[in-house]
Amino acid sequence: GQQVMQIPQYQHVQEGEDFTTYCNSSTTLSNIQWYKQRPGGHPVFLIQLVKSGEVKKQKRLTFQFGEAKKNSSLHITATQTTDVGTYFCAGAGGTSYGKLTFGQGTILTVHP
Amino acid sequence: KAGVTQTPRYLIKTRGQQVTLSCSPISGHRSVSWYQQTPGQGLQFLFEYFSETQRNKGNFPGRFSGRQFSNSRSEMNVSTLELGDSALYLCASSPGTNEKLFFGSGTQLSVL
Repeated sequence: GQQVMQIPQYQHVQEGEDFTTYCNSSTTLSNIQWYKQRPGGHPVFLIQLVKSGEVKKQKRLTFQFGEAKKNSSLHITATQTTDVGTYFCAGAGGTSYGKLTFGQGTILTVHP
Repeated sequence: KAGVTQTPRYLIKTRGQQVTLSCSPISGHRSVSWYQQTPGQGLQFLFEYFSETQRNKGNFPGRFSGRQFSNSRSEMNVSTLELGDSALYLCASSPGTNEKLFFGSGTQLSVL
């Protein structure tokens, strides 16, 4: 079945440093979504990427979807303490109709 | 618009018992998905319902079942509980297929 791998599992940064998490799927995706889960909270949707090579920005966050639609990345510029949480990618596609396969998540800690 | 509502918020059961969790999606959303979240396994897909039909199912034993009612509300049931079933169970609704998910706060199930 479809597998989505996400690295790194943990990332500790000093406030102001950049952060990147990577996502790789075993199969071609129709779209990829990114979610953020604050400690003690539930996942909250950040963005969806659909097109091959797509790049989207949200303030300090930059999301990319690979040309082959099998990998994606989330980059945060100049992290802030409010960026703390777990970032998940989730892929849809192939025979997984109606199913999103989540990556393991990257837990981001930001030290002030 | 009210968000996704899950009840109960916390539940403590003993091994061998069964449990039913409830989810009320956002008004107008016809797709409801269920996920199990544990620290070691991340977000694991359980099943997805659309207009009362189960369209996809994850790799969980038959003890895990669900259903969706005509008003889109959904329930999931776990029979013969095991210690390993202790987890946060998240429900998410979506307007359609492979669109962004809106998660509820989850039901934290502890099996003793």
